[in-house]
Amino acid sequence: KQEVTQIPAALSVPEGENLVLNCSFTDSAIYNLQWFRQDPGKGLTSLLLIQSSQREQTSGRLNASLDKSSGRSTLYIAASQPGDSATYLCAVSTGANNLFFGTGTRLTVIP
Amino acid sequence: EAGVAQSPRYKIIEKRQSVAFWCNPISGHATLYWYQQILGQGPKLLIQFQNNGVVDDSQLPKDRFSAERLKGVDSTLKIQPAKLEDSAVYLCASSLALAVDVTDTQYFGPGTRLTVL
Repeated sequence: KQEVTQIPAALSVPEGENLVLNCSFTDSAIYNLQWFRQDPGKGLTSLLLIQSSQREQTSGRLNASLDKSSGRSTLYIAASQPGDSATYLCAVSTGANNLFFGTGTRLTVIP
Repeated sequence: EAGVAQSPRYKIIEKRQSVAFWCNPISGHATLYWYQQILGQGPKLLIQFQNNGVVDDSQLPKDRFSAERLKGVDSTLKIQPAKLEDSAVYLCASSLALAVDVTDTQYFGPGTRLTVL
């Protein structure tokens, strides 16, 4: 059974700092990996999707990497802003759009 | 483009009562998902529909949970009777995914927060 772990569970950083969120998964037979953002009282917003054949994806200040063989992914956020404060969830797809989510990292960016 | 709509946003019931949630996916999206997110955990898939057919309901507690997607558009998720451990946010998502083996971005609704007392 696929298990997804995210470390750390919570992170506080001062505004402007670069940061890295970590995600690991137990079964490397994945179709893709996604990073989501979840704001309190709101649904999830997809940030980046990396296909299993890709190594990384970039969108603005966000960069996600994937090392499928070692079962790891990182989400790099450059020049963090208070508006980046949210919970970040990692999810892997094993096919048929079945997403397995991690427990998330709650990020607080301090002005 | 309108997003995924869910109602109600909040619901408080007592254990052993029944409750139903409604979801309206993005227009044209063939696939619809219901997830359960318990506080402090990531979402867990309960059921996945492709049009009005069930693709995966392996994690749906079928003794108390049921879901339907009549006409392949809107969907309802019902819990009867509710237990304390059903307290969670119930998220609905949809994607274009026209075939079971096609991976596609899922778009999530705001969720329904259920509290069972």
